[in-house]
Amino acid sequence: EVQLVESGGGLVQPGGSLRLSCAASGFTVSSNFMSWVRQPPGKGLEWVSVIYSGGGTHYADSVKGRFTISRHNSENTLYLQMNNLRAEDTAMYYCATGIKIYTLDYWGQGTLVTVSS
Amino acid sequence: DIQMTQSPSSVSASVGDRVTITCRASQGIDIWLAWYQQKPGKAPKLLIYAASTLQSGVPSRFSGSGSGTDFTLTITSLQPEDFATYYCQQANAVPPTFGQGTRLQIK
Repeated sequence: EVQLVESGGGLVQPGGSLRLSCAASGFTVSSNFMSWVRQPPGKGLEWVSVIYSGGGTHYADSVKGRFTISRHNSENTLYLQMNNLRAEDTAMYYCATGIKIYTLDYWGQGTLVTVSS
Repeated sequence: DIQMTQSPSSVSASVGDRVTITCRASQGIDIWLAWYQQKPGKAPKLLIYAASTLQSGVPSRFSGSGSGTDFTLTITSLQPEDFATYYCQQANAVPPTFGQGTRLQIK
């Protein structure tokens, strides 16, 4: 059974950093594309980043240059390093993956990031 | 980036009703469209992929259609558990953008 469990969210001041983790089980993170999707409180879904099985990455323009997606194959874990955080980065962050490219069959429960002074 | 526009933003319906939600892409995406259902406090759930293929375990009252730029999600005979927010997402190109969501409420 595929499971994704996010952690690492919390309260951080503007300009600060956080690293989110997504522990995977039931499949190998290096064999699938893996994405981060976020949802500001009361708002819709926004795709953030993807890492492909081959290691290539893409980012939303809103986070490019500030966020870095990576994975640790032996730990079977996906990461999102978030630097220079802004108030508008406040959101629930979900990791997700799937079988067909960009289609998200499996989601974690989310981890909440709050950027506030 | 491909823009996804859903309509309506909100709809009220009764148990047993039929509801249709539309999603329009700003450029052609072939059949690479997915629909998700999200309930309050929960992660989204994949309902339909490749425009019309029902995800395993999803009830057959859900159906999707369309190709190119115009797509629909239809729910026949609404059940109480169907009241939720629905999102479309294009899976044709990066960034894989979402529609703004359609909130389905009980009338």
